Amino acid sequence: DGGITQSPKYLFRKEGQNVTLSCEQNLNHDAMYWYRQDPGQGLRLIYYSQIVNDFQKGDIAEGYSVSREKKESFPLTVTSAQKNPTAFYLCASTLGLAGEDEQFFGPGTRLTVL
Amino acid sequence: EDKVVQSPLSLVVHEGDTVTLNCSYEVTNFRSLLWYKQEKKAPTFLFMLTSSGIEKKSGRLSSILDKKELFSILNITATQTGDSAVYLCAVVGGATNKLIFGTGTLLAVQP
Repeated sequence: DGGITQSPKYLFRKEGQNVTLSCEQNLNHDAMYWYRQDPGQGLRLIYYSQIVNDFQKGDIAEGYSVSREKKESFPLTVTSAQKNPTAFYLCASTLGLAGEDEQFFGPGTRLTVL
Repeated sequence: EDKVVQSPLSLVVHEGDTVTLNCSYEVTNFRSLLWYKQEKKAPTFLFMLTSSGIEKKSGRLSSILDKKELFSILNITATQTGDSAVYLCAVVGGATNKLIFGTGTLLAVQP
């Protein structure tokens, strides 16, 4: 079955620690995205990548980093510089450009900083 | 600044009611508008709208876009408790053609 997988589903970390969230897709999609969702708010774009080895900052990139070494994978690292990292993180992908193709979402990772 | 505004923020109805959810936008370089349903996990795709006045329909759900007045509506007829969810509207556009999300409408359907 094709789709997007994210792991882990739940993640706890102590303040000051970096943590990496995994996102893998087997849809052969070119573009991948990371969003953050806070209670009562819509999704906000953190980073996105339209091709391998290239990525761009979204609206709230500070305190986050990404890599796109393979087409299938787009991991997100939440660094200690992110001041309020507790949130629900969603990874998504599109075959081509957003706006031309449906954006598929993974099941999400809920990160809690203790 | 590009923005997408959804209304109402929340809504409580009874099974069998018909609801209309609203999405207005101010986004440069508009490409498309998308509706998603989110039930405590990943959003699931409902509709993508690119042309004005053409209704998209899937079962009891339908949606239409007005590019002149810059809004879209999502209609749900004969609501069921399974329709309870957050409904997200997103517009693709802006300088970098990315999705700009509204805050969502929380719909609760009571038996």
